Amino acid sequence: AQKVTQAQTEISVVEKEDVTLDCVYETRDTTYYLFWYKQPPSGELVFLIRRNSFDEQNEISGRYSWNFQKSTSSFNFTITASQVVDSAVYFCALSKPGGTSYGKLTFGQGTILTVHP
Amino acid sequence: EAQVTQNPRYLITVTGKKLTVTCSQNMNHEYMSWYRQDPGLGLRQIYYSMNVEVTDKGDVPEGYKVSRKEKRNFPLILESPSPNQTSLYFCASSSNREQYFGPGTRLTVT
Repeated sequence: AQKVTQAQTEISVVEKEDVTLDCVYETRDTTYYLFWYKQPPSGELVFLIRRNSFDEQNEISGRYSWNFQKSTSSFNFTITASQVVDSAVYFCALSKPGGTSYGKLTFGQGTILTVHP
Repeated sequence: EAQVTQNPRYLITVTGKKLTVTCSQNMNHEYMSWYRQDPGLGLRQIYYSMNVEVTDKGDVPEGYKVSRKEKRNFPLILESPSPNQTSLYFCASSSNREQYFGPGTRLTVT
């Protein structure tokens, strides 16, 4: 069975602080995908990143960066110089490509990030 | 533009009154699914469909039905809604390379 744990229920920071959202996953599969989604107050799910289990390179996109460490089954997300617009719920998710599960995402519980001005 | 649409976006109903939430995608994806989102639980899969006329239960199927008569549409049916089905519902459409979510339907059952 697959499982995703986001141990931080809520994080509160002041604007311009860096913040890291933790994600730990469990799977028996050797091939899988990891995702991060952002859910702003308006409610829609905004795709941020998808990472293949064979690609352990860290990725940076503007103020966002992701640290994938297979050895610790973690896929952490860092926002540098946070802004008020980053306030949202962030979800980490895991999927298994192939078979009947290839479209199914297993989500973590979500981390509520509040950035204060 | 690739998109998944859901209707209605908001719905308040009473216990036992049958309702249907529609979902449509324009990407010709074979795989579609429904999730519900509840505080502290993240999103959980309700039902999924691998193709037309092929559907199966996800993690939390009780109280829901689905159908897949056409590739683009995947309606979620609550035959007798109950208050514990008050939730935010998302339809998703995916290929082996991409996944799209609809805008969500906020359902309240009183």
